[in-house]
Amino acid sequence: GENVEQHPSTLSVQEGDSAVIKCTYSDSASNYFPWYKQELGKRPQLIIDIRSNVGEKKDQRIAVTLNKTAKHFSLHITETQPEDSAVYFCAPTLRGFGNEKLTFGTGTRLTIIP
Amino acid sequence: DGGITQSPKYLFRKEGQNVTLSCEQNLNHDAMYWYRQDPGQGLRLIYYSQIVNDFQKGDIAEGYSVSREKKESFPLTVTSAQKNPTAFYLCASSILAGGGEEQFFGPGTRLTVL
Repeated sequence: GENVEQHPSTLSVQEGDSAVIKCTYSDSASNYFPWYKQELGKRPQLIIDIRSNVGEKKDQRIAVTLNKTAKHFSLHITETQPEDSAVYFCAPTLRGFGNEKLTFGTGTRLTIIP
Repeated sequence: DGGITQSPKYLFRKEGQNVTLSCEQNLNHDAMYWYRQDPGQGLRLIYYSQIVNDFQKGDIAEGYSVSREKKESFPLTVTSAQKNPTAFYLCASSILAGGGEEQFFGPGTRLTVL
């Protein structure tokens, strides 16, 4: 199965600064790379995803970059705001071919300091 | 949020008792999933189902059972064989067409063994 690691496990940044969370994975066949955000006491929600034929995707202040050769992808949040405080999970996966499972990382707790 | 519900929100169980957690979705999604979340850990897959009357074990299926008699419903039973059942349980659903689709999560059930 997929081995997934996230770094760092906790991250504190000053409001307005940028945050970067890295996810490394073991299965070179993985072709789908989502990031989920879970605010305190709430359910996880997808915030951005990327597929293996794309190196980077951006959505306003959030971006994801993928390095398939090195088997890692990263979440970038710019101009951080207090509402960005949450736990972020990556879930690199081989989708299709009858496999519909996601393997989640252990999460990164991001705290934005006002 | 909408479309996927879990009940109850909180559940207390005595040791040796079986309990059933409810998960219902009206999103017409094919696939449904059960995850367990422990403090400081990611989401670990218990069971998943891609079609009615069929389901597959996830990474930590021991001590759990599921059924999928209707497309809308995927109840999880925590049996007395599960030695450490206190945790936060999340249900999710997704469509399958095209692969790599977003998983939508329910609000979760927090189970405590007394």
